[in-house]
Amino acid sequence: DQQVKQNSPSLSVQEGRISILNCDYTNSMFDYFLWYKKYPAEGPTFLISISSIKDKNEDGRFTVFLNKSAKHLSLHIVPSQPGDSAVYFCAATAGGTSYGKLTFGQGTILTVHP
Amino acid sequence: ETGVTQSPTHLIKTRGQQVTLRCSSQSGHNTVSWYQQALGQGPQFIFQYYREEENGRGNFPPRFSGLQFPNYSSELNVNALELDDSALYLCASTLNYGELFFGEGSRLTVL
Repeated sequence: DQQVKQNSPSLSVQEGRISILNCDYTNSMFDYFLWYKKYPAEGPTFLISISSIKDKNEDGRFTVFLNKSAKHLSLHIVPSQPGDSAVYFCAATAGGTSYGKLTFGQGTILTVHP
Repeated sequence: ETGVTQSPTHLIKTRGQQVTLRCSSQSGHNTVSWYQQALGQGPQFIFQYYREEENGRGNFPPRFSGLQFPNYSSELNVNALELDDSALYLCASTLNYGELFFGEGSRLTVL
């Protein structure tokens, strides 16, 4: 039972354009959502998060949008840079003492072309 | 640089053997989680330790076990290895359920 799904295995964009990565979830108990970035031979690194009490959170070039009614979140990267090329994972948790227990999606490989 | 180190980085075992993977967390991080990442998949939660006690477990059999030590290090032990145990094993630490800091992982191959 895949509770967090990233339906696009890969995404290719041109440098300077917007990258939009999507994620869907099924568990209504999830109340905190995170995006991680992973380069080859490295562990995932935290990118940005959003609580279920918000519908948008921004951090520089990265913005995460949450649509609770649709159980959908998206990560926008503007403008995209070649250094953003990596695997992006969406993750969710029920919060509280569950913050260490993340449920991850399968990942989306983002390639940003110069 | 997350301050979380794992060893070994790569290892090869045969089916039925036992393996111990090690993790050294950031100083002061009292919570450690272990994840299994199979090829082409996202990390899957194995279990979490808080102040040396298991505090939550994912859908993994009892042959997956762990320990957390007072010096912020931890271990993941897997007994009776199966071919499907081949994966990248990630350790992540945090202070009081805050942001997770991941290590680079241990790549286990079971032949």
